[in-house]
Amino acid sequence: ELKVEQNPLFLSMQEGKNYTIYCNYSTTSDRLYWYRQDPGKSLESLFVLLSNGAVKQEGRLMASLDTKARLSTLHITAAVHDLSATYFCASRTGSTNAGKSTFGDGTTLTVKP
Amino acid sequence: GAGVSQSPRYKVAKRGQDVALRCDPISGHVSLFWYQQALGQGPEFLTYFQNEAQLDKSGLPSDRFFAERPEGSVSTLKIQRTQQEDSAVYLCASSSPGTVTDTQYFGPGTRLTVL
Repeated sequence: ELKVEQNPLFLSMQEGKNYTIYCNYSTTSDRLYWYRQDPGKSLESLFVLLSNGAVKQEGRLMASLDTKARLSTLHITAAVHDLSATYFCASRTGSTNAGKSTFGDGTTLTVKP
Repeated sequence: GAGVSQSPRYKVAKRGQDVALRCDPISGHVSLFWYQQALGQGPEFLTYFQNEAQLDKSGLPSDRFFAERPEGSVSTLKIQRTQQEDSAVYLCASSSPGTVTDTQYFGPGTRLTVL
């Protein structure tokens, strides 16, 4: 059974600081997704990582994938208050248009002034 | 274009009542997924459709849960004889055929509270 573990589960950081969220998954994955969820809202797709060494960046967020270590990271650079949200990673197996996503429990990020 | 829509957005049911939750996927999306998200946790897979075919229902927690997508578009998740442990947000997602990334687009969810 595929398991996805994120750490930390809660992260409080000051504006301007850098930090990394870690996502470990237990079995081979075809795709690794990162999502953002604001309170009371649905999930917004941030990144899709398809292959070993993949790196994607959008603004102050950068995601990477190491398939050998079964590890993905979400790096936050110079955090701002608007990044406060819960971030989920999800691993997916199976061919295109097949296969369920298995989610981690999320990392709740609070960025303080 | 329109995203995934779900209705109702909120549902309060008395224990033992039946409920039906609706999902309208993005037009043309072949795949449709249902997830259950308990408070403070990540979404958990319930079931998956490709067109009208239910290809995976391994996540349905009991035989009280039933999902259908009879015409390959709108889907309904039905929960019979609701229990308090069914209280959660039910998320629907759809994805487009033939894309490498196969990103799932999520709806706003239905928050079910069973009293």
